[in-house]
Formats: sequence, structure tokens, C-alpha cells
Amino acid sequence: GQNIDQPTEMTATEGAIVQINCTYQTSGFNGLFWYQQHAGEAPTFLSYNVLDGLEEKGRFSSFLSRSKGYSYLLLKELQMKDSASYLCAVRDKAAGNKLTFGGGTRVLVKP
Amino acid sequence: GAVVSQHPSWVICKSGTSVKIECRSLDFQATTMFWYRQFPKQSLMLMATSNEGSKATYEQGVEKDKFLINHASLTLSTLTVTSAHPEDSSFYICSVETGTGGEQYFGPGTRLTVT
Repeated sequence: GQNIDQPTEMTATEGAIVQINCTYQTSGFNGLFWYQQHAGEAPTFLSYNVLDGLEEKGRFSSFLSRSKGYSYLLLKELQMKDSASYLCAVRDKAAGNKLTFGGGTRVLVKP
Repeated sequence: GAVVSQHPSWVICKSGTSVKIECRSLDFQATTMFWYRQFPKQSLMLMATSNEGSKATYEQGVEKDKFLINHASLTLSTLTVTSAHPEDSSFYICSVETGTGGEQYFGPGTRLTVT
């Protein structure tokens, strides 16, 4: 199976940068996804990495190192609305290409 | 991406009754949809994969006779929680998978409370 670890909670200041790390173990890696989930709502897709390197999308960037089983989501110029949970999910060929989610990292942005 | 709707958005039912949740893919023909459950302050757990025109595939530990899934068309999948109990109270979310990367797009979720 997959083992996906991410910190439980992080706090940052408005305007700052926060980096959320995710480590995983999988036998048939086939993509890593980041989702944002506000309290009481469903997750929304943020980014996808399948090759090593950095993917940038506006204020959000995601990095992947397959050899290290490691990814991070970088949130720049933090805004109050960025307070949410951020879920790391891995797609595994050995598990029928289903997504397995980490426990999520709750980010609190303070003024 | 894909636009996915769910109905109802929330429901309260009595213990022992059944509840049906609908998931619709509004702009994408989905041969496969996914059903997840999320308990408070926990992550999403996949319950089953819904396959259009065939039987759903359930994850280990999920009772197929309790959580009935029907995927009768390319735009609609339903999840029926039968003989609901308070421990079934949860946030149920469906998704469709699009794109070459396999990213999933989620419906808004259905909050079920069983009293």
C-alpha cells in the first residue's frame, strides 16, 4: 500500500511563503496531486506532478522528486483565504491507479 | 476540469432508514466515478469505484450490501446508504477523473447525519 506523510498543521503570516512537505512510499508511482480543501467543502484540484521538477501556477508551485519520494507545495504571497487544508494524494499503478490521500495539512494564515 | 454536482448537499435521517445520494457529471461523460467518505478532521477515504454499466468495485472493509452504488448512465452515479446508523454520519464526496494525468474533480459533497 501507500504511506503518505504530511505535517498536521502550519501557521504563517499574510504575505509570507509557506512550504508544505509530503513524503510517500509507493510501488508503482504514477503521479502526485495537491488539493485545497476549505472547511466543510470538497477538495479542489491545485496541481499535478508526474516528472521531477517544479510546476508553477501563479502563487502556487509544486515540486516532485521521485527518487526521494518527496513533494512540496509552495504557497507564496499568502492571503487570508488560503487558510485551508492541503491534501497530498498519490496515484499508484499497483493499486489500480486509484488516488490515496495523505492526512492533510491545515494551514492557518494570520494577519 | 469537470463540473460535478451532488444532491442533496446535506441530509438528516433516522437510524434504520436508507438515504440516496446522487452524483452528476455535468460536462463530462464519466465511465468511472469515485465515492469517498471523510470523517471530521480526517482525510478522504475511497469507498468504491463506480463503473458505468457494471458493478462497482469496493475497497476493503466497505460493505457492498450496505453502500449500494448504481452507475446507470455516463453522467449519473448514486450511492444508497441502507439501514443507516449514527456511525455512518460523515461527509460523502464523489469525483470524476479527467485528463491525461488522472486528476480528479470533486462534487461539493453530501453531509449525512444519522440520528
